[in-house]
Amino acid sequence: NAGVMQNPRHLVRRRGQEARLRCSPMKGHSHVYWYRQLPEEGLKFMVYLQKENIIDESGMPKERFSAEFPKEGPSILRIQQVVRGDSAAYFCASSELATVNQPQHFGDGTRLSIL
Amino acid sequence: DQQVKQNSPSLSVQEGRISILNCDYTNSMFDYFLWYKKYPAEGPTFLISISSIKDKNEDGRFTVFLNKSAKHLSLHIVPSQPGDSAVYFCVGVRGAGSYQLTFGKGTKLSVIP
Repeated sequence: NAGVMQNPRHLVRRRGQEARLRCSPMKGHSHVYWYRQLPEEGLKFMVYLQKENIIDESGMPKERFSAEFPKEGPSILRIQQVVRGDSAAYFCASSELATVNQPQHFGDGTRLSIL
Repeated sequence: DQQVKQNSPSLSVQEGRISILNCDYTNSMFDYFLWYKKYPAEGPTFLISISSIKDKNEDGRFTVFLNKSAKHLSLHIVPSQPGDSAVYFCVGVRGAGSYQLTFGKGTKLSVIP
């Protein structure tokens, strides 16, 4: 399966712990996007990355959240000192080009639960 | 601030009939609209798009209509099939070179056999 791969599918953390979510884009895609979906809501843009660069992090909370897309390996969304409000589904998407004519392909998401 | 509104959380339709999913938007800067379909425990998948310079785009059983003056669009599925049962998201995009997708809350479509 050459689709966008996210792991883990489910992640449980206690308040104050760190959560690391991984995303491997589709083969040939160098543009990665992270979205968050709260219960009963639509997906909300968080951050856009290209290899080794954060292009736009305007949708990401300024504290506790960070993202990276290293030269080698998957993109990582990191949440430090998690709180109950971080419980959500986190989706990663990738595209070949960052234009509307190249639809973003989504992974199946990581469901984060905070105890 | 909901820039893309899908006011019907759910819709039930008989198999073979037409499904009409509605979407309203408030941001006049949107140049493109997309529809994504999502099954439970899966990620959204792209379905169809329309540019703001058009009023209709068709792809097989799926047609999207855009009424720019009313800031309204709709997705028509004809004929509806049980496999179409999913959550449908209306998405606004600002500019052809944009990557930020603005999602509505979604409409859950149930197609009854």
